[in-house]
Amino acid sequence: EVQLVQSGAEVKKPGESLKISCKGSGYSFTSYWIGWVRQMPGKGLEWMGIIYPGDSDTRYSPSFQGQVTISADKSISTAYLQWSSLKASDTAMYYCVRGGYFDYWGQGTLVTVSS
Amino acid sequence: EIVLTQSPGTLSLSPGERATLSCRASQSVSSSYLAWYQQKPGQAPRLLIYGASSRATGIPDRFSGSGSGTDFTLTISRLEPEDFAVYYCQQYGSSPFTFGGGTKVEIK
Repeated sequence: EVQLVQSGAEVKKPGESLKISCKGSGYSFTSYWIGWVRQMPGKGLEWMGIIYPGDSDTRYSPSFQGQVTISADKSISTAYLQWSSLKASDTAMYYCVRGGYFDYWGQGTLVTVSS
Repeated sequence: EIVLTQSPGTLSLSPGERATLSCRASQSVSSSYLAWYQQKPGQAPRLLIYGASSRATGIPDRFSGSGSGTDFTLTISRLEPEDFAVYYCQQYGSSPFTFGGGTKVEIK
């Protein structure tokens, strides 16, 4: 069974750093793109970027380029989304997804940034 | 960047009725790489349709997708109570992949 299991909810202060994770199982992790999708409270879905764990090829949405870093460790079938300095506007649910069209979704990681 | 515009924003219908949702792209979506998702409150979205018209695994046949180029449609032939939700289209033909703003299907 294909699963994407994300790390738990986070509460952070503005300016802090954060790295959340997404562990894939039940399929060949290096053979599918893994992406990240943001959903701010009460809002729609936003595509942030994707990575191909097989060769670490990474693409970003212009809206998120330079704001976040997407990475993957294929030895442990895990993808990451990280921030070096969080803002209150980063408060959102973040989903990891598999593929170009997203046939599997993680359960979501709620990130709350508040002073 | 391809901008996807979904209409209407909200669709008020009764169970048993037919729902027609539109997704229009600002430029042609290559190879009909267009997907549709359903999201219910408190849940992650679920893939319904990919490749503009192929149903994902386990999706009932009352859901169908059509279209090509810049105009795409999701049709729910007869609404079931569990179909009232928000629906998003997404293109994956060119990076950055983008989502539409969503259509909420609510009970009339």
